[in-house]
Amino acid sequence: EVQLVQSGAEVKKPGESLKISCKGSGYSFTNYWIAWVRQMPGKGLEWMGIIYPGDSDTRYSPSFQGQVTFSVDKSNSNAHLQWSSLKASDTAMYYCARHEEPWAGGKGIDYWGQGTLVTVSS
Amino acid sequence: DIQMTQSPSSLSASVGDRVIITCQASQSINKYLNWYQQKQGKAPKLLIYDASNLETGVPSRFSGSGYGTDFTFTISSLQPEDIATYYCQQYDNLPYTFGQGTKLEIK
Repeated sequence: EVQLVQSGAEVKKPGESLKISCKGSGYSFTNYWIAWVRQMPGKGLEWMGIIYPGDSDTRYSPSFQGQVTFSVDKSNSNAHLQWSSLKASDTAMYYCARHEEPWAGGKGIDYWGQGTLVTVSS
Repeated sequence: DIQMTQSPSSLSASVGDRVIITCQASQSINKYLNWYQQKQGKAPKLLIYDASNLETGVPSRFSGSGYGTDFTFTISSLQPEDIATYYCQQYDNLPYTFGQGTKLEIK
């Protein structure tokens, strides 16, 4: 069974750093992209970008380029999303999801993590 | 970036009604469009991929159609458990953008 299990909720202050995680299981972790999606309170889904665990190839949405960093640790099938200096506007639910490119026979995002709620407040 | 315009943004319908949501892309995305269902407080769930393919385990009352720039999502007979927000997403051109969502309520 494919599962993506995300780390728990975080409460941080503006200016602090943060790294959240997403652990994949039940499939070959290095053969599928991991997507990150933001959902601000009461708002819609925003695609942040994708990272390929096999070689760490990364594609950021222009809206998030330079604001966050994606990384992976293949040894334990974890993907990470990190901030170096949080802002109040980073308060949101963050989802990781499994993605496969259509040219590889994939169907885009097919499995989602449960989400990690990040709250940034002074 | 490709803009995905969903319509309507909210919808109220009765149990048993046929419900139709549309999604228009600002440029051609071929068939690379997905539909997701997000229930309150939950992660989204894939319902339809490649515009018209039903994901395994999804009830057959859900369907999708379209190609290029214009896409339709249909619930043939609305059930109470279909209360949710529905999103389209294109994955033809980076960044892979979402529509703004359609909130579906039961009358």
